[in-house]
Amino acid sequence: EVQLVESGGGVVRPGGSLRLSCAASGFTFDDYGMSWVRQVPGKGLEWVSAINGNGRTIGYGDSVKGRFTISRDNAKNSLFLQMNGLRAEDTALYYCARDGGYSGYIDAWGQGTLVTVSS
Amino acid sequence: DIQMTQSPSSLSASVGDRVTITCRASQSIDRYLNWYQQKPGKAPKLLIYVSSNLQSGVPSRFSGSGSGTDFTLTISSLQPEDFATYFCQQSYSPPRTFGGGTKVEIK
Repeated sequence: EVQLVESGGGVVRPGGSLRLSCAASGFTFDDYGMSWVRQVPGKGLEWVSAINGNGRTIGYGDSVKGRFTISRDNAKNSLFLQMNGLRAEDTALYYCARDGGYSGYIDAWGQGTLVTVSS
Repeated sequence: DIQMTQSPSSLSASVGDRVTITCRASQSIDRYLNWYQQKPGKAPKLLIYVSSNLQSGVPSRFSGSGSGTDFTLTISSLQPEDFATYFCQQSYSPPRTFGGGTKVEIK
């Protein structure tokens, strides 16, 4: 069974930093691209970032480019999101997600970790 | 960036109704359009990928169609467990933008 378990969320002041982690199990981790998607509770979904299986191809949404960094450790079946320069508008539930194939759809999701940016 | 526009933003329907949700892209995305279902307090779930491919385990009452800029998700006979919010997403080019969502409510 595919499992994605996020951690690292919490409350942080504006301008602060946070590092999210995602522990993956139930599949061959380095065979899959991975993504982060966020959602303000009660609102829509926003694609944040993605990384391919070998970590060499990376993309970011415009709202986080230059502030967030995605990475992965295939030896530890883990995905990360380093978030710097946090703003109030980054407050959201952050989902770790698996890319289902080369077509870029997401076929597995974690339960999310909540990030709150507030003074 | 490619903008995705879903309509309607919400709808009321009865069990057994045929429901259609549309998604329009601001430019051609070939067939790289995916549909997700989300229930309150839960993570989204993949229903349809690359316009018309039914994800494993998803009931056949769900279907998708379209190419270019216009896409449709159809639920042929709405069931009680289908009341949820539905999102489209383009995966043609990054950023892989989502539509704003369509909330399907009980009439």
